[in-house]
Amino acid sequence: GAVVSQHPSWVICKSGTSVKIECRSLDFQATTMFWYRQFPKQSLMLMATSNEGSKATYEQGVEKDKFLINHASLTLSTLTVTSAHPEDSSFYICSAGGWGNQPQHFGDGTRLSIL
Amino acid sequence: GESVGLHLPTLSVQEGDNSIINCAYSNSASDYFIWYKQESGKGPQFIIDIRSNMDKRQGQRVTVLLNKTVKHLSLQIAATQPGDSAVYFCAEIPSGSARQLTFGSGTQLTVLP
Repeated sequence: GAVVSQHPSWVICKSGTSVKIECRSLDFQATTMFWYRQFPKQSLMLMATSNEGSKATYEQGVEKDKFLINHASLTLSTLTVTSAHPEDSSFYICSAGGWGNQPQHFGDGTRLSIL
Repeated sequence: GESVGLHLPTLSVQEGDNSIINCAYSNSASDYFIWYKQESGKGPQFIIDIRSNMDKRQGQRVTVLLNKTVKHLSLQIAATQPGDSAVYFCAEIPSGSARQLTFGSGTQLTVLP
């Protein structure tokens, strides 16, 4: 079946640094990928829709300058959390697919902890 | 709708019993619904889906029921096993949208030995 790979799975870094998270579709091409954020014991919240070759579409309340998205190829989207602060600590999950009557498939998430 | 700081509803069942997880969706224009299973520290895993032109769909040990009149979705798991312990989310996609999923608040299923 379709596989979505996310890297890294776990990041700990100091406040003020920038962190890049990669999302790859391993066995299919994805013109659209989605980035979600999930806090403990809560549901997934859509942050943005990543579009290959064009700008990402951000959900209301998500700072585009804070969460930079690049979708430079049909198999790779990256999310960069710029100047990260402790309140950015969360579980970030990407997904791809969902076209042609097929469900979206999710990566295994990235646990981001900002000290 | 959005989950705002709420604790997940929980469901505990004995191993071997059947489980029923319920979900109320918000958008009457949604035409595609998916159940996902999320284990601790992992991303959601697809279980089963259903389109709005159906009211029931069966998979291996799982059945999804859709009641559009009351905007209700349920997931039935037969002969629940310890490996079924996880958080279960329903998700909806409105027709005509850019295939963006809206997730329900989730239910924590615990299977007791």
